[in-house]
Amino acid sequence: EAQVTQNPRYLITVTGKKLTVTCSQNMNHEYMSWYRQDPGLGLRQIYYSMNVEATDKGDVPEGYKVSRKEKRNFPLILESPSPNQTSLYFCASSPSWNTEAFFGQGTRLTVV
Amino acid sequence: DQQVKQNSPSLSVQEGRISILNCDYTNSMFDYFLWYKKYPAEGPTFLISISSIKDKNEDGRFTVFLNKSAKHLSLHIVPSQPGDSAVYFCAARLSWGNEKLTFGTGTRLTIIP
Repeated sequence: EAQVTQNPRYLITVTGKKLTVTCSQNMNHEYMSWYRQDPGLGLRQIYYSMNVEATDKGDVPEGYKVSRKEKRNFPLILESPSPNQTSLYFCASSPSWNTEAFFGQGTRLTVV
Repeated sequence: DQQVKQNSPSLSVQEGRISILNCDYTNSMFDYFLWYKKYPAEGPTFLISISSIKDKNEDGRFTVFLNKSAKHLSLHIVPSQPGDSAVYFCAARLSWGNEKLTFGTGTRLTIIP
């Protein structure tokens, strides 16, 4: 089954404790992105990747890192999480820039 | 600055009637528009899209209309069904851009049986 898989689905952590949210897609897509969804703000792009070893900042990259060492994986790294990063995170992939994106099921992160 | 706006946070429609969801944008360089549907505890799923060279695209019960001069698009669902109850996001993409989507804030559609 074609899908984008995120792990974990739910995570509660403390301020400053490094964490990684994994994202994997099995569709051989070139493009992958991370978004966060916050009430009243819709979904905002954090980082995107156009191919392996090619990543760039989206609209709200502060406090996040990503890597794209292999085509299928695009982890989101929070080196020192803060409470304002409490949010619902979505990973997405698409075969090219002008096609629709496929989203994972989301990761709800709470930083206390 | 919100470049894609959905001014109605919620909408309730009787089953069988038409649902009309609206979206406005400010960036005239957007040239591809998409609608996504989101159920609770799931990721958004693609519904329908339209290129700026068209003013209408239809797929079954779903039709998207684009008015470039007004920088406005709308999604029509006819007839509305209970399974259509979800949050709907419109999104826009720049013509030269990467796959980045700029999303609206969403409209929660409730279909009343």
